[in-house]
Amino acid sequence: GAVVSQHPSRVICKSGTSVKIECRSLDFQATTMFWYRQFPKQSLMLMATSNEGSKATYEQGVEKDKFLINHASLTLSTLTVTSAHPEDSSFYICSAGEGLMRDREGQPQHFGDGTRLSIL
Amino acid sequence: AQSVAQPEDQVNVAEGNPLTVKCTYSVSGNPYLFWYVQYPNRGLQFLLKYITGDNLVKGSYGFEAEFNKSQTSFHLKKPSALVSDSALYFCAVRVPSGGYNKLIFGAGTRLAVHP
Repeated sequence: GAVVSQHPSRVICKSGTSVKIECRSLDFQATTMFWYRQFPKQSLMLMATSNEGSKATYEQGVEKDKFLINHASLTLSTLTVTSAHPEDSSFYICSAGEGLMRDREGQPQHFGDGTRLSIL
Repeated sequence: AQSVAQPEDQVNVAEGNPLTVKCTYSVSGNPYLFWYVQYPNRGLQFLLKYITGDNLVKGSYGFEAEFNKSQTSFHLKKPSALVSDSALYFCAVRVPSGGYNKLIFGAGTRLAVHP
């Protein structure tokens, strides 16, 4: 089945550091990838939709300059948390869909295993 | 507004007994519904989906879900629970957004299966 690899699985760093998280689709091409944030014991909150070769679409309330998204190829999207602070500590999860989401309605998203980010 | 509700924070069931995890939705048009499971410190795993057709959908690990249009529900079920089924379960609905499809998730229900 479709596999999405997310790296790193855990990051602990000092306040002010920028952190990059990678999301790769290993055996399929993902035109669209999604980035979520999950707080403890809460649901997933969609942060942005990452589109290959174009600018990401951010959800309302998500700071574009804080959470930089790059989707340079059909198999890789990155999320960079810039100048991270303790309030950015969270569990970040990416997902990808097979083919163009618009053309393959109903296809499930495939999720990475998440990255737990801890800012000291 | 389009939304998904999971009314139970936690469901407790004894191993071997049937389980139900509830989900109701509110969307315009025909709903595309999904169930995902999350184990600790992991991403989400796809269980099953309803797009069209039979109201009873069968998925992975013996799970099934019943789509009920009149009640706008999509409850997850399993005839005989296993301890290994203990996890966090999310119901989701697909909604079009800006030319793409995104998922809206319910709050999640923690399933605890006791030996």
